[in-house]
Amino acid sequence: DVKVTQSSRYLVKRTGEKVFLECVQDMDHENMFWYRQDPGLGLRLIYFSYDVKMKEKGDIPEGYSVSREKKERFSLILESASTNQTSMYLCASSLETGYNSPLHFGNGTRLTVT
Amino acid sequence: AQSVAQPEDQVNVAEGNPLTVKCTYSVSGNPYLFWYVQYPNRGLQFLLKYITGDNLVKGSYGFEAEFNKSQTSFHLKKPSALVSDSALYFCAVRRPGGGKLIFGQGTELSVKP
Repeated sequence: DVKVTQSSRYLVKRTGEKVFLECVQDMDHENMFWYRQDPGLGLRLIYFSYDVKMKEKGDIPEGYSVSREKKERFSLILESASTNQTSMYLCASSLETGYNSPLHFGNGTRLTVT
Repeated sequence: AQSVAQPEDQVNVAEGNPLTVKCTYSVSGNPYLFWYVQYPNRGLQFLLKYITGDNLVKGSYGFEAEFNKSQTSFHLKKPSALVSDSALYFCAVRRPGGGKLIFGQGTELSVKP
């Protein structure tokens, strides 16, 4: 089975801090994604990457950046955390072959910004 | 623009009864449709997908979904609900040829004994 591991289950940070959320997948997937999940809004795509050192903006990239230096690792960076970034963050990966490949998700990081 | 809607925030079902979680979509062309489930404090898990072919798709844990092109719907169904089916369910759509996967807002399924 594909395993997508997010390094932290819960994080509490202060406003203005730089925050790193780490994600690692073990199945050599080309595509990796960062979503945030908020009640009533479903999942919204922040950034995705289809190859090492490649990144594309999703629907809500403002206030975030990403890094993909190795194929298995995709990091989400909050340059200066704000309270409206309090949310559940989900990392996912998928194969590059075709657009019908399902996403494999990590267990999420619940971030609280105070 | 593509979109997906789950018209019910919550669905309540008695154990043993059939369940339906509704999903409608808007996308040009023939869509790729997915259902995911999220158990408490977990990430999403893939349940099933429709790409082409038979309109009735079978997936994990006894779930199935019916693609209805005329009604632009992809409802999730199970003949006999279990308490362990209680979870948050997400429908998602992607247009043919690529593009982002768009998720619905989720439906909370509660199955009572």
